[in-house]
Amino acid sequence: DAKTTQPPSMDCAEGRAANLPCNHSTISGNEYVYWYRQIHSQGPQYIIHGLKNNETNEMASLIITEDRKSSTLILPHATLRDTAVYYCIVNNAGNMLTFGGGTRLMVKP
Amino acid sequence: EPEVTQTPSHQVTQMGQEVILRCVPISNHLYFYWYRQILGQKVEFLVSFYNNEISEKSEIFDDQFSVERPDGSNFTLKIRSTKLEDSAMYFCASSTPTGTLGYTFGSGTRLTVV
Repeated sequence: DAKTTQPPSMDCAEGRAANLPCNHSTISGNEYVYWYRQIHSQGPQYIIHGLKNNETNEMASLIITEDRKSSTLILPHATLRDTAVYYCIVNNAGNMLTFGGGTRLMVKP
Repeated sequence: EPEVTQTPSHQVTQMGQEVILRCVPISNHLYFYWYRQILGQKVEFLVSFYNNEISEKSEIFDDQFSVERPDGSNFTLKIRSTKLEDSAMYFCASSTPTGTLGYTFGSGTRLTVV
């Protein structure tokens, strides 16, 4: 079973920041937090991952709380093309990914 | 940007027939995976493959399934005798040895068993 909890759906206005929360209260010390997204029935797309520190790349920022029990994925300026299901996954690097239901983000004009 | 390539994009087969789904992982990746997604359901792990052997498999990956890396570039999933419930999107993925760059998924093969 997935070790994360995410809201099933969220809306965001185009051009605004989308903040997607994830709870992972049972995360262990060597597990990373990964974020993927899936647009329609395409293959999941890697977005970002982190262990303890906040991370930023060209797609998004990842904020991990100090106790590592939750995190937030931030899409700074959401576009219509960011409409997708976003998955928060915790696991050890190199191991299989367990996908939950994710958050269905709808970006609206 | 490097991609994981899957062929065919769509395969229709009759129940009981064998199918082989093909994948070309990213060249410097060493871990390879198959996942599937039945329409409207979650993405499910099937199997991981490393150093020419299965490293982990799920309950779904029973004796009807097998994987192979027949040469230095291809990674295949074979279903020996397809059932209606095997109809799904099948995704191949690959990752670096430490997985530190995340997994790269292919665009999938839609398998329809009739």
